[in-house]
Amino acid sequence: AQSVTQLDSHVSVSEGTPVLLRCNYSSSYSPSLFWYVQHPNKGLQLLLKYTSAATLVKGINGFEAEFKKSETSFHLTKPSAHMSDAAEYFCVVSEGGGSYIPTFGRGTSLIVHP
Amino acid sequence: NAGVMQNPRHLVRRRGQEARLRCSPMKGHSHVYWYRQLPEEGLKFMVYLQKENIIDESGMPKERFSAEFPKEGPSILRIQQVVRGDSAAYFCASSRDSPSVSNQPQHFGDGTRLSIL
Repeated sequence: AQSVTQLDSHVSVSEGTPVLLRCNYSSSYSPSLFWYVQHPNKGLQLLLKYTSAATLVKGINGFEAEFKKSETSFHLTKPSAHMSDAAEYFCVVSEGGGSYIPTFGRGTSLIVHP
Repeated sequence: NAGVMQNPRHLVRRRGQEARLRCSPMKGHSHVYWYRQLPEEGLKFMVYLQKENIIDESGMPKERFSAEFPKEGPSILRIQQVVRGDSAAYFCASSRDSPSVSNQPQHFGDGTRLSIL
């Protein structure tokens, strides 16, 4: 069985400061992991996805995430927040194999202050 | 290069009416997924379809809800005799390959916001 936990429902940062959005997962298989961003009244846009080739994954808009198997984590980071980063972020796990339907976290709302 | 297109963007229905939500996948994509999102919650999987076939409907309520993806035309999510609890945002996603292919991302539409009066 697979599950995903986003540890913070809201994260508030000032513009220009680092962003950390935390995600822990559980999976019976080698998982596929994704981060999506959702702006108000919009669909989800893929930020990045984990492949087994590299544990540090670079995505769009300066975001990156590090896969840590020992900690079962896939935290999303960005060195410097921009006002346009304010949105809802979802961590997603998909086991593959026989259970391929992804499981979404409850989301983390990123608030960016000027 | 159109993405996943959903319409209508907003739909208002009275209790007991029918709601029809449409989704046209990205060009070249033959796999379609429907999700429901309640306020301050993540997306909950409802159904996965490939052209003319329902592959997995394990997340679909047993009554009143149905989905199809005909050979021609968009995928349709149909909710009969709507109730207040059906109010939510419904998202459609598509992928080029089967979800059993690892690291297969899904591409999402902007959703249909369904409101039940």
